[in-house]
Amino acid sequence: EAGVTQSPTHLIKTRGQQVTLRCSPISGHTSVYWYQQALGLGLQFLLWYDEGEERNRGNFPPRFSGRQFPNYSSELNVNALELEDSALYLCASSAPPGGNEAFFGQGTRLTVV
Amino acid sequence: AQSVSQHNHHVILSEAASLELGCNYSYGGTVNLFWYVQYPGQHLQLLLKYFSGDPLVKGIKGFEAEFIKSKFSFNLRKPSVQWSDTAEYFCAVNSYNFNKFYFGSGTKLNVKP
Repeated sequence: EAGVTQSPTHLIKTRGQQVTLRCSPISGHTSVYWYQQALGLGLQFLLWYDEGEERNRGNFPPRFSGRQFPNYSSELNVNALELEDSALYLCASSAPPGGNEAFFGQGTRLTVV
Repeated sequence: AQSVSQHNHHVILSEAASLELGCNYSYGGTVNLFWYVQYPGQHLQLLLKYFSGDPLVKGIKGFEAEFIKSKFSFNLRKPSVQWSDTAEYFCAVNSYNFNKFYFGSGTKLNVKP
């Protein structure tokens, strides 16, 4: 069974640009979570999608957004990139009902220069 | 809002030493508890989980954790660590009521050979 896959694995962008990160959940999983793992800051919750809808978002500015597609894959978009957006962006998926364990992808390493 | 606290940010042990990493959460209702591990260069993996039943949970690689409801704690233990246990450990909580994973800030474990 394929795990959670994320693309790209690495990305370098310049300040002010926009970026799109992609995540494919495990087959049968309807929930997708996005986390930012910046150096020394642990995992910061970004967004949670379930059944195509945004269910919750963390304490991040509106330039962080995303969506979930009918096949449950998801995109994370970040506009107007700032240097402090440099981090590992992790996607996780879980199966219904709520409360099940989350399975993580390898992450996308974003570097903003 | 719910939160998870990991009080040890960086732990250094010698091989064969015993390990205990603290984790406390703030939600008063029924919770599911998890410990995840992130080995250098690898993605987050589930170490163990508690949903219900025996509060002493055994996970992979000789790890165990004890859920103490009265203390809102879910401490991770291992009797004898190995160099290969060098990694970052994250405690997480979710609930069927809020279905969002809250993660602690992580504990970096460095095991010296």
